[in-house]
Order: sequence, then structure tokens, then C-alpha cells
Amino acid sequence: DVKVTQSSRYLVKRTGEKVFLECVQDMDHENMFWYRQDPGLGLRLIYFSYDVKMKEKGDIPEGYSVSREKKERFSLILESASTNQTSMYLCAITWGAPQTGTEAFFGQGTRLTVV
Amino acid sequence: GENVEQHPSTLSVQEGDSAVIKCTYSDSASNYFPWYKQELGKGPQLIIDIRSNVGEKKDQRIAVTLNKTAKHFSLHITETQPEDSAVYFCAALTGNQFYFGTGTSLTVIP
Repeated sequence: DVKVTQSSRYLVKRTGEKVFLECVQDMDHENMFWYRQDPGLGLRLIYFSYDVKMKEKGDIPEGYSVSREKKERFSLILESASTNQTSMYLCAITWGAPQTGTEAFFGQGTRLTVV
Repeated sequence: GENVEQHPSTLSVQEGDSAVIKCTYSDSASNYFPWYKQELGKGPQLIIDIRSNVGEKKDQRIAVTLNKTAKHFSLHITETQPEDSAVYFCAALTGNQFYFGTGTSLTVIP
């Protein structure tokens, strides 16, 4: 089974703090994604990476950065947290299953509250 | 880029009734359409999917239909049970990227 693990289920941080959200996958997949999920807006893509040290901006990258130093780990960084970054953050991986083609799997999510 | 629209945003059904959620997409190059169920406090879980060379797929009480000409696909849940209550997301895969609908909050009333 594919396993995508996010380091924290719940986080509370103060405005201005630097925040790290970690995502680890155990299947040597290349493609990793960070989304934020807000009511009525669905999942919005923040950043993604197709390989180590590679990163691409998604639809809403402002206020975020990412790091991919190792294949299994993709970190989302909030340089200076703000209250409008309070949200549920979801990490996902995609892979091309030999029999069925590309599929996506999600971590359990990190609910971040910035106060 | 791709645009996926999902309706309705909320849906309440009596236990035992059917529930239908509909999605449309804009990019004819999209070729894979998964559906995810997200329970409270958890990440989305894949429940069923369909590829563009198939018109319908069924797995026990859930089924998905795809109309490529009209660019829409639907999730059908029959004989709903309280444990079906959750948020459901549709998605479309174009190239290497998934595009998601905004979600449907389904409530099954016992």
C-alpha cells in the first residue's frame, strides 16, 4: 500500500512564525504535491515537485516555499505565517501504476491555525 | 488549464435512497477521473475511478459514469448508509496534474 505521512495532524502557530510542514512517502515516487483546502474552494495547488531539488509553482504559491532535498520528503514552508494561511494542508503523491495508470494518494492532512 | 466544476455543494438524503454527484470538465485531453471520499479530520481516500476509454464502472454500491462528448462524469451511490456521510471530491487528470472539484458534503439521514 502507498503511504503518505504528514508530520502533524494539528498545528497552532503565531503570526510571523516560520512554519514547516513535512510530508514523507515510502514508495520512491517522483511526483509530490502540496494543496490547501478551504470550505467552498476545494483543493488548490500550492507547489509541486517532480524530482529531488526540483519545484514548480502551483496556482497559489504566494507566501509559501518548498524544499525537496531527498526523494521521499517534500516540505512546505510558510516563511512568515499569517492568519489567512489558516487552513487544512494536504500532501499528495501521484504515480503511474503499471496496470491502471496514474493515481493520486493523499496524506491525512495538517490543520494549521495561525493566531 | 483544466476547470472542474462540481454540483451540488451539499446533499442530504434519507438512508436507503440514492445520491448522485455531478462534475464537468473543460479540457478534452483529460483522461482519468477519480472520486475521493474525505471523512472529517482525514485526508481524501480514493473510492472509485474511471478512464476515458470506459463509459461506466461499478463497485458494489458505488458507480461512476463518464460522458466524454459532454465532458461530464457522475458518482452514484445506491442504498446509502450513515457511514457514507462525508465530503466527496471529483478530479480530472490532464498530463501530470490533477484538477479537483470543490467538493460535495453528503449527509445521510438515518
